Amino acid sequence: GAVVSQHPSWVICKSGTSVKIECRSLDFQATTMFWYRQFPKQSLMLMATSNEGSKATYEQGVEKDKFLINHASLTLSTLTVTSAHPEDSSFYICSASPDTYEQYFGPGTRLTVT
Amino acid sequence: RKEVEQDPGPFNVPEGATVAFNCTYSNSASQSFFWYRQDCRKEPKLLMSVYSSGNEDGRFTAQLNRASQYISLLIRDSKLSDSATYLCVVKVGAAGNKLTFGGGTRVLVKP
Repeated sequence: GAVVSQHPSWVICKSGTSVKIECRSLDFQATTMFWYRQFPKQSLMLMATSNEGSKATYEQGVEKDKFLINHASLTLSTLTVTSAHPEDSSFYICSASPDTYEQYFGPGTRLTVT
Repeated sequence: RKEVEQDPGPFNVPEGATVAFNCTYSNSASQSFFWYRQDCRKEPKLLMSVYSSGNEDGRFTAQLNRASQYISLLIRDSKLSDSATYLCVVKVGAAGNKLTFGGGTRVLVKP
């Protein structure tokens, strides 16, 4: 149980285009989903926290207009990287939480912007 | 100062040996502590929670020192498959279930 999927697992896009990443909780309802970013040889940095049906809460320094988060249902959250640039190339990982304690991580999406 | 700090390593460990490393945290309001394991290009996976009295899970032992604000992880009888990056993770109770990750300690177990 407690499986979280992400799609796509990797994506290459051209600079200036937008990319959407999906995060799904497959066998539980996630009241909260988290989006992280991890650059090479660095740790996970929380980008934003989203609760179903409400606006996401962004961490300091994360541009909400660039990283659009939608948490439309209890099993799906999406992250859209708008007008992507090479510096946005990173490993994006989501996690989903059914309560205030456990977090289950998705397998990650590797984004490369050329 | 980072909220959660770790020695990045790498710790080069002979197979069968014991390795231990620490993690320090700056927020004294931190309430929950975890060790995660992350393999290259994969998502982090929960290794174990860390309890106040210390706890053991097979070859892995975790300790918490609230007074000095650090946690430790000890791996006994290291296996080649233990090679990974170990992430120290802290949760501050008042912030719901928001997790703060350390930079990770890389462990390489060699034959």
